[in-house]
Amino acid sequence: ETGVTQSPTHLIKTRGQQVTLRCSSQSGHNTVSWYQQALGQGPQFIFQYYREEENGRGNFPPRFSGLQFPNYSSELNVNALELDDSALYLCASSLELAGVEQFFGPGTRLTVL
Amino acid sequence: SQQGEEDPQALSIQEGENATMNCSYKTSINNLQWYRQNSGRGLVHLILIRSNEREKHSGRLRVTLDTSKKSSSLLITASRAADTASYFCATVGQGAQKLVFGQGTRLTINP
Repeated sequence: ETGVTQSPTHLIKTRGQQVTLRCSSQSGHNTVSWYQQALGQGPQFIFQYYREEENGRGNFPPRFSGLQFPNYSSELNVNALELDDSALYLCASSLELAGVEQFFGPGTRLTVL
Repeated sequence: SQQGEEDPQALSIQEGENATMNCSYKTSINNLQWYRQNSGRGLVHLILIRSNEREKHSGRLRVTLDTSKKSSSLLITASRAADTASYFCATVGQGAQKLVFGQGTRLTINP
């Protein structure tokens, strides 16, 4: 088990709604990355936050947004939910930006109906 | 989009046998990492191999990297039932910070 926690564990929303997912990074880690994993696929990079600033974004629309707080915890917000947003959302923390090992949380399973 | 492909997509072997999974990627890399995922939960880091390394060991794991062929392999020796999981390779490009994952290999160890 890593020291990364995510909440909630599961979430069910309807199309058009908005959702906020939360992540607490491992102690001492200042970088948080978010990934979306569709069923049967590998995780896909959404974006990364380093010291409260966005530091890179994958191929996701602007309705996916995030925040990082001074304690390095992070939120992922998704507006105007679509059915295809149903997935496992994974948060990963790491120390600095050097492309090193990332420590993943258990994920939040989002279902959009 | 995924960086590359993993082969095979699924592998089923008997406990005690060795399991080999392969990963190919498309662009030059800084390093390549292998992760394990149990039952759709969080990923666990297994091993990191840098672009200037050819082989790395960690316990029962052996990873090789061939940058000329843009490929890597993960060998798990003396497999155990607890090794049943999905295994993903992930690359970090030169100057990039994100992990780019393959589609994974689903490994089943039969007792």
